[in-house]
Amino acid sequence: GESVGLHLPTLSVQEGDNSIINCAYSNSASDYFIWYKQESGKGPQFIIDIRSNMDKRQGQRVTVLLNKTVKHLSLQIAATQPGDSAVYFCAENSGSGNTGKLIFGQGTTLQVKP
Amino acid sequence: GAVVSQHPSRVICKSGTSVKIECRSLDFQATTMFWYRQFPKKSLMLMATSNEGSKATYEQGVEKDKFLINHASLTLSTLTVTSAHPEDSSFYICSAPPSTDTQYFGPGTRLTVL
Repeated sequence: GESVGLHLPTLSVQEGDNSIINCAYSNSASDYFIWYKQESGKGPQFIIDIRSNMDKRQGQRVTVLLNKTVKHLSLQIAATQPGDSAVYFCAENSGSGNTGKLIFGQGTTLQVKP
Repeated sequence: GAVVSQHPSRVICKSGTSVKIECRSLDFQATTMFWYRQFPKKSLMLMATSNEGSKATYEQGVEKDKFLINHASLTLSTLTVTSAHPEDSSFYICSAPPSTDTQYFGPGTRLTVL
């Protein structure tokens, strides 16, 4: 069945370093992916998205890479800051168009050491 | 950006009582909203799709008589947990798509059933 998963449950980095969070998906027909950040006790916050007709998209300090060949998605955070500490989820839009249901990965906890 | 609110943020109730959680889109209209449930240190699990003007669509394994959903207007969806029990204690989160692109999430409601 469909699944979206993350490779590592916890990632610990030093403040100022770059972080890379990975995600694997299994539905080759998926055409839209989203990264969310969730802080403790709060709802997920949109970070960046990418469609399947792209392989890279950049935002402010974040970059998402999509490798459709191996069904892999990654989120790169440049110059990681303590405020980046949170759980990061990748999500796959499984419905028709882009208003369908989201399937979430298991999440990676990012810990930023000062 | 698009804002989704939830009320209440926290609720504690006795076993056997019913609890209503509201989800509002504050600056856009949403014909569809989604309700998720999240256990501690776990990912988000989609419970149901709330459809304005029609019945909600429930995911497999979610009891529709237990979790009543009403999409009363284009900016409001409610989730009522009926006859709540301790195992219903969880973090409930709603989301809404402001356009054909991604979904924005509410801040979540922490339900504790004693």
